[in-house]
Amino acid sequence: GQQLNQSPQSMFIQEGEDVSMNCTSSSIFNTWLWYKQEPGEGPVLLIALYKAGELTSNGRLTAQFGITRKDSFLNISASIPSDVGIYFCAGQGGGSNYKLTFGKGTLLTVNP
Amino acid sequence: GAVVSQHPSRVICKSGTSVKIECRSLDFQATTMFWYRQFPKQSLMLMATSNEGSKATYEQGVEKDKFLINHASLTLSTLTVTSAHPEDSSFYICSAARRDRVGETQYFGPGTRLLVL
Repeated sequence: GQQLNQSPQSMFIQEGEDVSMNCTSSSIFNTWLWYKQEPGEGPVLLIALYKAGELTSNGRLTAQFGITRKDSFLNISASIPSDVGIYFCAGQGGGSNYKLTFGKGTLLTVNP
Repeated sequence: GAVVSQHPSRVICKSGTSVKIECRSLDFQATTMFWYRQFPKQSLMLMATSNEGSKATYEQGVEKDKFLINHASLTLSTLTVTSAHPEDSSFYICSAARRDRVGETQYFGPGTRLLVL
């Protein structure tokens, strides 16, 4: 099925550094979501974006819904060791189409 | 709020047997639930969309007779892997869609690790 282009694939950073990751798509989405998955667990919703241009924060996390509706980014400020995990972006279509299209994920490693 | 549970968390079975996985939304009603499969170091792959009171909609390439889905109530969907084989070993994750002010947002269960011997 269709997938989003998510980058980078992996990141190795030092504790305290800021992190940025993004997703792009050839298709328009009405909703962008960012999830975090830890080993052996299901994805946990971090931020949901519903409007083009919307900028939303959740603690140290900030995400934006691109104005073209074809992209989104997630920033993590002042990273800590528990930020380690795989971060997935997901786009959701409109109307009655609630299916999610997932990016391939960004593996984040934080060195203390 | 928006808690989704799965049971069992892990299961080991012999080849040829059937395995049932339950997905429950604990604090909200979900008219739509989704079943995903995830292979190691890969993204989630949608298998089927489960609608309460109607037949599930399967993605292309997913055998509906092998992966039976029942959405018995607004809080429970089950996935039964029939006549399981080693290649069915995987991480199965469900999600439940909760209606909010702008649409429906999916919340995921913790996943079920299936190992078929």
